[in-house]
Formats: sequence, structure tokens, C-alpha cells
Amino acid sequence: GENVEQHPSTLSVQEGDSAVIKCTYSDSASNYFPWYKQELGKRPQLIIDIRSNVGEKKDQRIAVTLNKTAKHFSLHITETQPEDSAVYFCAASTGQAGTALIFGKGTTLSVSS
Amino acid sequence: DTAVSQTPKYLVTQMGNDKSIKCEQNLGHDTMYWYKQDSKKFLKIMFSYNNKELIINETVPNRFSPKSPDKAHLNLHINSLELGDSAVYFCASSPSSGNTIYFGEGSWLTVV
Repeated sequence: GENVEQHPSTLSVQEGDSAVIKCTYSDSASNYFPWYKQELGKRPQLIIDIRSNVGEKKDQRIAVTLNKTAKHFSLHITETQPEDSAVYFCAASTGQAGTALIFGKGTTLSVSS
Repeated sequence: DTAVSQTPKYLVTQMGNDKSIKCEQNLGHDTMYWYKQDSKKFLKIMFSYNNKELIINETVPNRFSPKSPDKAHLNLHINSLELGDSAVYFCASSPSSGNTIYFGEGSWLTVV
């Protein structure tokens, strides 16, 4: 089955800096790669996703890149703000019947002002 | 009008007890899930149902039994609770398998 590795496990940046979180996946059939943000005591919420027919997707300060050959994808947050502090999860899925999103172990991002 | 709602939000119970968590979604989705988030924040799939049919059953002790009376509801019953069952249990739904999932608010289970 699918296995998703996520790095780093913790990341501390200064406000205004950029943050990059990287994930690798094992199943070459995976074609859907979402990113979730989980604030303390809250549910994980989707912030951006990318499908395998696209190499990059951007939404304001957040961007995701995908390299299908290398089987890795990354989340980029620019101009970080204290409210970006949270746990971020990457996930992967083949989208086939009987499958579910498989999550990485999460990255705790701390943005200090 | 919460999209995925689960109850109770907090549950403190003694070892050996039996408890249930209920989940309902009003998004019209076909697929529902239970994920477990342990103290290290790892989100692990437990079960998935598609239109009331069990389609994913990960390596979960058989003390855990999901039930889906209809495609909008997925409940989780846990027998003989153990200390290691303490975690946050998230219900979720998606339009179809392996697609974007929408989480409920979570149920914080503490076994003492």
C-alpha cells in the first residue's frame, strides 16, 4: 500500500520568511496530493491540493509542486505570518475504489514575530 | 449546519467500558471514514464505508466495530476500552474513495 514520508517534523521560521515542507510517496499510481492544516485543538482542513496532471499550483502565499518522476511533492508558504503556525499534513491517494487518503506524519510549523 | 458532525466531542471513561461515537454528514457524500489521531498527531485510517458498505478495514483490534445505517451516518463502537485507545477520533467524508476528505471536529477519547 501507499506510504507517505514527510519532512521536517518541526520547522521554526521568522515572520516574513518562507517555509518549505517536503513529502515523498511510494505508490506510483497515486494521482491526488492534498495538504491539510490543523490548528491546535481543531480539525484538519484542506488548504491546497494538486493532481498528477499538474506540476505546480498556487493560491496566494501558498504553492504546491509535484515531481511525479521522483515521487515527491512540496508545500511552499511565502511571507509567513504567526497565524500560519499549525501542523501541516501532506497526503496521497490513487483515487481508486476502496482507497483512502494516506497521510504523512505532519510538520509542526512555528512562525515567530 | 455543520457539514460533518460527530458526538460526543469529549469522552472520559474507565478501562473496560464500552462507548460509541456517532457521525453524520450532510454533504451528500458517498464515502465516510474513521481516522485515529494519536498523541504524536499521526492521522491513521481505521475504516471506510462507501454507500453503507465496508470497503477499508485496516489493522484495527476487533474491539472496534463501525456501523453505517445509511450513507449519511457512520458510527464507531468500542468494546472493552484500553488505555491505549486514548486518542482523537475523526470522522470524515468524501464524494468518492480517495478524494478530498472533510473532517468532523473530532472526538477526544480519554481512557482512565
